[in-house]
Amino acid sequence: GESVGLHLPTLSVQEGDNSIINCAYSNSASDYFIWYKQESGKGPQFIIDIRSNMDKRQGQRVTVLLNKTVKHLSLQIAATQPGDSAVYFCAENNAGGTSYGKLTFGQGTILTVHP
Amino acid sequence: EAGVTQFPSHSVIEKGQTVTLRCDPISGHDNLYWYRRVMGKEIKFLLHFVKESKQDESGMPNNRFLAERTGGTYSTLKVQPAELEDSGVYFCASSQDSGTGLYEQYFGPGTRLTVT
Repeated sequence: GESVGLHLPTLSVQEGDNSIINCAYSNSASDYFIWYKQESGKGPQFIIDIRSNMDKRQGQRVTVLLNKTVKHLSLQIAATQPGDSAVYFCAENNAGGTSYGKLTFGQGTILTVHP
Repeated sequence: EAGVTQFPSHSVIEKGQTVTLRCDPISGHDNLYWYRRVMGKEIKFLLHFVKESKQDESGMPNNRFLAERTGGTYSTLKVQPAELEDSGVYFCASSQDSGTGLYEQYFGPGTRLTVT
């Protein structure tokens, strides 16, 4: 069945360091991938997305890398700040399938940034 | 522009009772989704509305859960009767109409449901 999982449940970094959060997925039909950030008491907030025809996409201080060969997704955060502390979820979607609205989420990684 | 809103923010009910959760999507968003996260598990998809129609309800756990979106605006999710395993956080999300999944889903803050 479909599943998206994370290698590391927690990540602790110093302010200013770069952070890398990893995610594995199993559904080879997935063609759209998203990273969400969730702060305490709030819902998941979109960070960045990538389609399966791309290997890399950059945003402001964030980069998502997609390796379809090994079904691996990563989120890189440059110059991590205390405000980046949150739970990060990867999610995948088969945008061309009948369940095109269904996001499948990973378990989440807790990122803690120390000043 | 207001985001996705959900009501109530927290609900505590006894096993066997009924609870109705409400979601107001972003204005103009035809797509509305329900997800939930039970303790220790990942966020799971429940169902997807396009306007007032159920596009995909493959994630609904059983017939104790009933989702409606009359008029294609706000949606309600009723749990009747509630069981202990229904405890968790219920999220609603909405997105623009595209006919594909390639539009950002905006999430509400969630309703924390506690069944005792």
